[in-house]
Amino acid sequence: QVHLVETGGGVVQPGRSLRLSCEASGFIFSENAMYWVRQSPGKGLDWVATILHDGRRIFYADSVRGRFTISRDNSKNTLYLQMYRLRSDDTALYYCAKDAGYAQFPDFWGQGTLVTVSS
Amino acid sequence: SYVMTQPPSVSVAPGQTATFTCGGDNIGSKSVQWYQQKPGQAPVLVVYDDDDRPSWIPERFSGSNSGNMATLSISRVEVADEADYYCQVWDTNYDIWKFGGGTKLTVL
Repeated sequence: QVHLVETGGGVVQPGRSLRLSCEASGFIFSENAMYWVRQSPGKGLDWVATILHDGRRIFYADSVRGRFTISRDNSKNTLYLQMYRLRSDDTALYYCAKDAGYAQFPDFWGQGTLVTVSS
Repeated sequence: SYVMTQPPSVSVAPGQTATFTCGGDNIGSKSVQWYQQKPGQAPVLVVYDDDDRPSWIPERFSGSNSGNMATLSISRVEVADEADYYCQVWDTNYDIWKFGGGTKLTVL
């Protein structure tokens, strides 16, 4: 079955960087678009970025464009989110999610990794 | 960008039907998904493409979408259905994936 495991979260100071990883299994990773979606404490779901199956097309939310970079390594079945110039409002649980097909919506989600931006 | 509006809360008694709404400009022209999120857990897809269910979701869950409103209904509500429910669309005009603010279901 589909399994997504996010790692890399932690406590980081404002302005610093952090890289999240998401290891995927149970499906053909190279055939699916992938997402990062975050959820601030007590808040709703907030889409961050999408990368198509081959990495050639990438989309970002306005709130992270220019600061975050989504990428993937299909040889390692791994999705990444490189986060630069982190701000306190980036504090959230970051989920990676698998696309259901045609890059319209996620169908399976990992359990998330928590990023806390604080001095 | 595209905005979707969900009421913050819905309350129903066990065995009744819970109805969740997701309002948006001409949302009926878009494909709407619904996710269930229980406390401390990741979201789970319960309805996709307006009214389809993943095979692991019971028939009690159903969706519809028309005009400016999409709806998720849960019939014969159980205490185990208590969760937050989010609608989601892909805004093709801007290539943005949007979520509604979520509705908390309380089973009285």
